[in-house]
Amino acid sequence: GNSVTQMEGPVTLSEEAFLTINCTYTATGYPSLFWYVQYPGEGLQLLLKATKADDKGSNKGFEATYRKETTSFHLEKGSVQVSDSAVYFCALSRNQARTALIFGKGTTLSVSS
Amino acid sequence: DGGITQSPKYLFRKEGQNVTLSCEQNLNHDAMYWYRQDPGQGLRLIYYSQIVNDFQKGDIAEGYSVSREKKESFPLTVTSAQKNPTAFYLCASTREGYEQFFGPGTRLTVL
Repeated sequence: GNSVTQMEGPVTLSEEAFLTINCTYTATGYPSLFWYVQYPGEGLQLLLKATKADDKGSNKGFEATYRKETTSFHLEKGSVQVSDSAVYFCALSRNQARTALIFGKGTTLSVSS
Repeated sequence: DGGITQSPKYLFRKEGQNVTLSCEQNLNHDAMYWYRQDPGQGLRLIYYSQIVNDFQKGDIAEGYSVSREKKESFPLTVTSAQKNPTAFYLCASTREGYEQFFGPGTRLTVL
């Protein structure tokens, strides 16, 4: 079945450092891929998405490219801020619309000034 | 503003009691979902509903029940049969495609 594997955290960075959070997936068909972010005590917010191979999703300085050949969707940001400290989840769609997403276990990012 | 509301934010329950978590959305979304989040475990699907009066079990449905009598509402009942109910519960919805919108969550603690 479909599954998502994320790098384990926590990831600890200084402000303005470069961020990469690795995400690989296993899927049949052509899933859509997502990154969600969760701030402490809150629900999840969609950060970015990509619906087909080679698509690049981007938002708030974060980027991720849907790589079918390596089954990856790594999250990157060129210069992190303290306000980026949160838990990041990679997710993919199941094979039918309106069915639930499959989530990775989440990666905690902590940015210090 | 459109969105998803969950209430209460914090909920305490004694062992052996059933408890119902509320989820309401005014986004006119057809599909709704319940997830459970435990530390280091990511999100796991409990139940989902694609249309009114219909719902399906997710990956960890045992000890939970749901209803979908209205498009806007998808309450989750945690029954006494759920062996380890202390967790953070998240409700989500979607209209078309795969993108999901999440509520703020309810933290349930069993005393």
